[in-house]
Amino acid sequence: QQPVQSPQAVILREGEDAVINCSSSKALYSVHWYRQKHGEAPVFLMILLKGGEQKGHEKISASFNEKKQQSSLYLTASQLSYSGTYFCGTETGTYKYIFGTGTRLKVLA
Amino acid sequence: DTEVTQTPKHLVMGMTNKKSLKCEQHMGHRAMYWYKQKAKKPPELMFVYSYEKLSINESVPSRFSPECPNSSLLNLHLHALQPEDSALYLCASSLRAQGREQYFGPGTRLTVT
Repeated sequence: QQPVQSPQAVILREGEDAVINCSSSKALYSVHWYRQKHGEAPVFLMILLKGGEQKGHEKISASFNEKKQQSSLYLTASQLSYSGTYFCGTETGTYKYIFGTGTRLKVLA
Repeated sequence: DTEVTQTPKHLVMGMTNKKSLKCEQHMGHRAMYWYKQKAKKPPELMFVYSYEKLSINESVPSRFSPECPNSSLLNLHLHALQPEDSALYLCASSLRAQGREQYFGPGTRLTVT
């Protein structure tokens, strides 16, 4: 079953913060986060492997709560370049990989 | 080299044609993937190869036939496709098939007429 992301879409002004959530009904082995700009391939942002793990990448960070089967992506001080569709990707079994429903994010100047 | 390449970029084919999509990576990755992506939808996993062996086939119709000739190359053979198969076909690779990030190629935009 496909992980559900919320919100479906969000519009921000430059410098504002956003949180994107990913929730699964199945136990998760890992959570990956990707950003896809229009007409381009998804680009890897980060991977979280352990329950409760948090990671950061410049102004983008994420958390993974294995027990709740949830992950959140935090975007701080957003930039125009952050615009795109964000997908969580999850591994639910041996080599089984499924993307979440996606969150469209637009950053305005 | 952190690049996954795909050819062709665009492909238009009739329902009776036979064509192939090609994907290549030289990162030493041992897992390779085919995804199908429709507009405004997430990528959907079609096939997973791990160490050149087909590990996952997500109930994909037989008109799609994957092939992994070696650890760097992945093909998708297409035959007797339907208009609803029109989509962006993405290839990806990762160091191994679990717990590692995937690197995506730019995709092949397929139109079936």
